[in-house]
Amino acid sequence: RKEVEQDPGPFNVPEGATVAFNCTYSNSASQSFFWYRQDCRKEPKLLMSVYSSGNEDGRFTAQLNRASQYISLLIRDSKLSDSATYLCVVNQAGTALIFGKGTTLSVSS
Amino acid sequence: DADVTQTPRNRITKTGKRIMLECSQTKGHDRMYWYRQDPGLGLRLIYYSFDVKDINKGEISDGYSVSRQAQAKFSLSLESAIPNQTALYFCATSDPSRTGFAGNTGELFFGEGSRLTVL
Repeated sequence: RKEVEQDPGPFNVPEGATVAFNCTYSNSASQSFFWYRQDCRKEPKLLMSVYSSGNEDGRFTAQLNRASQYISLLIRDSKLSDSATYLCVVNQAGTALIFGKGTTLSVSS
Repeated sequence: DADVTQTPRNRITKTGKRIMLECSQTKGHDRMYWYRQDPGLGLRLIYYSFDVKDINKGEISDGYSVSRQAQAKFSLSLESAIPNQTALYFCATSDPSRTGFAGNTGELFFGEGSRLTVL
């Protein structure tokens, strides 16, 4: 089993739609969690950290379920500019970040 | 200018050649990383360094070596390139001291990538 697993998609949604991505991780010792965004042929960039209590940043909401080892990202009111690949990322203490393969989102008008 | 700079940005080479990818950063971060990205496989960690005297193997270090010449420089070498090393390579840095959470790597700042093709 891979350390971090994501549904690769693609998710094709119209503008204004709400879309959710899921991610599972295998190592229960994982301590911190993130979502990164990667545009085509570009470097990944941090979208948001994921906190145990859940957190929101504008149209984006991230949630963590440690018992189920599950992370989610919800995007409300999708924009064309949200089209990208979303990477689920997990960190264990003292090691480097482990990336999922990514979920591709395409928002159309 | 980019805070994390990779050279070369694109390189085509032949099987058996030695290749070096270089990374330099102006962020003042202690931690540096090399990842490779392949279609369908995502980003995989090759090597990482938490400071100048610390080098660690990642998930896929075979066929690669690294050198941390200074805090700001971390180079990746392919001693004898082979076609399955064709990929997009990313260097990244982080500063965990900014997170306030011991053990948290901190946000990764990536270079723009080096696209390597081995024929």
